[in-house]
Amino acid sequence: RKEVEQDPGPFNVPEGATVAFNCTYSNSASQSFFWYRQDCRKEPKLLMSVYSSGNEDGRFTAQLNRASQYISLLIRDSKLSDSATYLCAVPPNSGYSTLTFGKGTMLLVSP
Amino acid sequence: NAGVTQTPKFQVLKTGQSMTLQCAQDMNHNSMYWYRQDPGMGLRLIYYSASEGTTDKGEVPNGYNVSRLNKREFSLRLESAAPSQTSVYFCASSEGWGPDTQYFGPGTRLTVL
Repeated sequence: RKEVEQDPGPFNVPEGATVAFNCTYSNSASQSFFWYRQDCRKEPKLLMSVYSSGNEDGRFTAQLNRASQYISLLIRDSKLSDSATYLCAVPPNSGYSTLTFGKGTMLLVSP
Repeated sequence: NAGVTQTPKFQVLKTGQSMTLQCAQDMNHNSMYWYRQDPGMGLRLIYYSASEGTTDKGEVPNGYNVSRLNKREFSLRLESAAPSQTSVYFCASSEGWGPDTQYFGPGTRLTVL
């Protein structure tokens, strides 16, 4: 299994919909996970951190499933402004000890 | 706080030319990183500096060199640019080493003809 995998999408949803993305990882010892948001032609920006108990911030909920080795991001009541690519980041299995980023999942929210 | 800044924003080079991409952060972070991002490839780590005075190779270091000038600044040099180095380059920094949150600069769009 690759270290970090994401469905590239795009996920096409109407405004107001609920949408969820998963990110699978191969390092079972990982303690810290992150979701980043990247707008077209812009830099990735931290959306939220994910720890063992999960995290919720307004319409966004991030969960960690250690048994199945994935993290998820749930977006409720989607807005047009949520259209972006969502990258997950996890520590790698071996080698240098820094984050490995997934390739991202594209979300397109339509009126 | 400006966060992470990068210069230039855009650059066009001819094959064989050299250039240095500049990165600076004002968050007093210890660790800094250089990534490249290509369509379908995601972010790939070129070099990193875990702390001032140290640098190490990442996933794709060939054709690049780096200098951690001081705690604030981390530059990336292309000695002899190749078309394969056409990409968007992002600098990032984090407070500590390891799984710490990384903060990214706005990127440099480089085209090598």
